[in-house]
Amino acid sequence: SAVISQKPSRDICQRGTSLTIQCQVDSQVTMMFWYRQQPGQSLTLIATANQGSEATYESGFVIDKFPISRPNLTFSTLTVSNMSPEDSSIYLCSVEVQRGYSYNEQFFGPGTRLTVL
Amino acid sequence: SQQGEEDPQALSIQEGENATMNCSYKTSINNLQWYRQNSGRGLVHLILIRSNEREKHSGRLRVTLDTSKKSSSLLITASRAADTASYFCATAPWVGTDKLIFGTGTRLQVFP
Repeated sequence: SAVISQKPSRDICQRGTSLTIQCQVDSQVTMMFWYRQQPGQSLTLIATANQGSEATYESGFVIDKFPISRPNLTFSTLTVSNMSPEDSSIYLCSVEVQRGYSYNEQFFGPGTRLTVL
Repeated sequence: SQQGEEDPQALSIQEGENATMNCSYKTSINNLQWYRQNSGRGLVHLILIRSNEREKHSGRLRVTLDTSKKSSSLLITASRAADTASYFCATAPWVGTDKLIFGTGTRLQVFP
């Protein structure tokens, strides 16, 4: 498994501001992901954070709103830009660990609980 | 939507009882993973079952997979109050893709 930390663990922000969330892993990993979990809902993949290149975004998510950096194999950031109350969610990063020839397990960070007023 | 469905949405049991949660999905999968989430915190990886496996055990957890029915179940035996959490299944659709598709989740409440 991998040990993943996120900062901040929670924050309360004002509408129109931006927040950058950091994700640190204790080992080098190829694949890192960012998810959003809206209140009472399941997880939705925002994007795959690619090391050395632009992130790959899922349908409904755009780089201007959720810019992502991946400067190396152990660290990534997600910025939630120009926030509105609808962005209030838990944001989680995850990493993939290869277990066998054709399958991998994903492990998640503790999450960042964001409240936008 | 390719999101999986889980049932029940909520389950309340007494300590010592068994809890069974079901997950159905829509596409062919490479593997299926079960996670636990306590009170809106991070997800804890519980178990992974590959598409060519039918049953897997880990401690008090038993997972089954029926690819013909596109369904899986998670059984927690001799439940404890500490098992109170939300449980999610997540499917990895194809070999070579790393995206997980999460189910809707089951909220389990275990009363002491």
